[in-house]
Amino acid sequence: QQQVKQSPQSLIVQKGGISIINCAYENTAFDYFPWYQQFPGKGPALLIAIRPDVSEKKEGRFTISFNKSAKQFSLHIMDSQPGDSATYFCAASTYNFNKFYFGSGTKLNVKP
Amino acid sequence: GAGVSQTPSNKVTEKGKYVELRCDPISGHTALYWYRQSLGQGPEFLIYFQGTGAADDSGLPNDRFFAVRPEGSVSTLKIQRTERGDSAVYLCASSSSGLAGTDTQYFGPGTRLTVL
Repeated sequence: QQQVKQSPQSLIVQKGGISIINCAYENTAFDYFPWYQQFPGKGPALLIAIRPDVSEKKEGRFTISFNKSAKQFSLHIMDSQPGDSATYFCAASTYNFNKFYFGSGTKLNVKP
Repeated sequence: GAGVSQTPSNKVTEKGKYVELRCDPISGHTALYWYRQSLGQGPEFLIYFQGTGAADDSGLPNDRFFAVRPEGSVSTLKIQRTERGDSAVYLCASSSSGLAGTDTQYFGPGTRLTVL
């Protein structure tokens, strides 16, 4: 059973637009939700993370929105740039646990 | 080193053979993780080391998979009697202490294993 469900599978956005990727989870014990960015041939790199005591976290052009009651969280990329073209993974874990459960990934293509 | 390194970057083997995949974590990181990433999927947890010991090996799919970290630094993932279904990218990550919420896991570039 997939612990974290991610959508869409792929996304095409025009330069300057907003990219939105959604994730949902079932395990209410999860309390740490990172997003990773992966370029071809590279390992995933941490982009931004949130804990459920806040509903939103913003770092530069990247924002996580978190809805605890719906058990959903999303990544918003504002002013999307061609350099943002990559695969994005959401993940979840418990705060004091070391095992991440990853979503299946979203391949983002930002058109110039 | 500057980052997590993995060797080889690519490994092609025949069904039934034995393979070893190596991970060099960031110097001083006590926590080390192995993940497997199949095509079009997210990384899947295999095993977590804290120092020399395997703190959680619940993700290893079966007893053909084994990993060691004898001196608390370099780790080797060993796969016996490889099967075509083992074909994937094997990712290694390290973090300074191993606490998910306070520690960033730094991933290596992975080893792409192809079993013919």
